[in-house]
Amino acid sequence: DVKVTQSSRYLVKRTGEKVFLECVQDMDHENMFWYRQDPGLGLRLIYFSYDVKMKEKGDIPEGYSVSREKKERFSLILESASTNQTSMYLCASSFETQYFGPGTRLLVL
Amino acid sequence: SQQGEEDPQALSIQEGENATMNCSYKTSINNLQWYRQNSGRGLVHLILIRSNEREKHSGRLRVTLDTSKKSSSLLITASRAADTASYFCATGSYNFNKFYFGSGTKLNVKP
Repeated sequence: DVKVTQSSRYLVKRTGEKVFLECVQDMDHENMFWYRQDPGLGLRLIYFSYDVKMKEKGDIPEGYSVSREKKERFSLILESASTNQTSMYLCASSFETQYFGPGTRLLVL
Repeated sequence: SQQGEEDPQALSIQEGENATMNCSYKTSINNLQWYRQNSGRGLVHLILIRSNEREKHSGRLRVTLDTSKKSSSLLITASRAADTASYFCATGSYNFNKFYFGSGTKLNVKP
């Protein structure tokens, strides 16, 4: 059974903190993605990676960075968290179909 | 933007009725996929239809694709309360590197 896991389901951070969101997949997929989901806005792509150490910006990369040191792991980093980054963060991996993790609901105070 | 757009935004039906959701998109695609999201959870893949296919079935799900109109529909037959969720369409690019999601249809099936 395919599996994408995310490090936390819920996270509360303070403005200015550095935040790490981790995602691990066990399907040997080359492509991995980070989205954020906000009411009325659907899913918006932050970054994706098509290979180890390779990354490309999505539609809303500002304020975020990513790291992919190993094929199975894709990390999203908020360098200095701000209140407008309060959101649901979804990780996915894919070959043709996307498989999603359960999501991390991040609250930045 | 290549983003898919679902219609309607919200749909409320009785258990046993059929539910139809539509998706429109703007550019050429390799495939179109439908996903379901239960409240506060990740998305679950339902069905994929390729650009050279017109119709596909999976259990109570029927998906159609009209590439000339750049639109797709998802039909859920004999709906159940457990079908209550948000449904998203996503268009897939030819290199599988990018997917574009709409903002979803919120389906409520009343028991």
